[in-house]
Amino acid sequence: EIVLTQSPGTLSLSPGERATLSCRASQSVSSSYLAWYQQKPGQAPRLLIYGASSRATGIPDRFSGSGSGTDFTLTISRLEPEDFAVYYCQQYGSSPRLFTFGPGTKVDIK
Amino acid sequence: QVQLVQSGAEVKKPGASVKVSCKASGYTFTGYYMHWVRQAPGQGLEWMGWINPNSGGTNYAQKFQGRVTMTRDTSISTAYMELSRLRSDDTAVYYCARPYCSGGSCYVQLDPWGQGTLVTVSS
Repeated sequence: EIVLTQSPGTLSLSPGERATLSCRASQSVSSSYLAWYQQKPGQAPRLLIYGASSRATGIPDRFSGSGSGTDFTLTISRLEPEDFAVYYCQQYGSSPRLFTFGPGTKVDIK
Repeated sequence: QVQLVQSGAEVKKPGASVKVSCKASGYTFTGYYMHWVRQAPGQGLEWMGWINPNSGGTNYAQKFQGRVTMTRDTSISTAYMELSRLRSDDTAVYYCARPYCSGGSCYVQLDPWGQGTLVTVSS
């Protein structure tokens, strides 16, 4: 079973700054099956990035995803006040067929 | 638009069972798997499994095998997740979620999600 590790656990930044979030897998993950979600307090998660680098519908272009193999990155180019939230990476493994989430990175206001 | 509406909060005693519903609208219910994900208070997301609403076939995470049952009623476009032998560490918000589709293609990633159902297990 693939284990996802996210770093840092918490990222303290100011609006306008660049955020770089890391997701590392214990073994190689198909880029097609790597996603990033955003979750705000009291809300359900929202899909940001699918296929490692494709933005979901309605997601601003300040969000970008990259990476392959075992190392993936979510970048927020310039933080807006509404971007302060928790971000999860997630992968789907075809054998066994299961979904795994990383532990999350909290982006909070410095 | 695609919408998933879940049943309301539940309070259960240890050892009991809970059944959460997820009513789908805005799309063909039998055309897309339905997933269940839970989140304990202050914790991360944990995938529980999926159901194929067309066939009724299921795939459960190993952790929940033997305790979880996912079913559906296609006549009312509703999926259900039942968890038995509840323990205090089953206290969580339970979400249903559908695979994401865009531009005529669908993917394994999940969106939209239901609003969540808080299940509290306490004696």
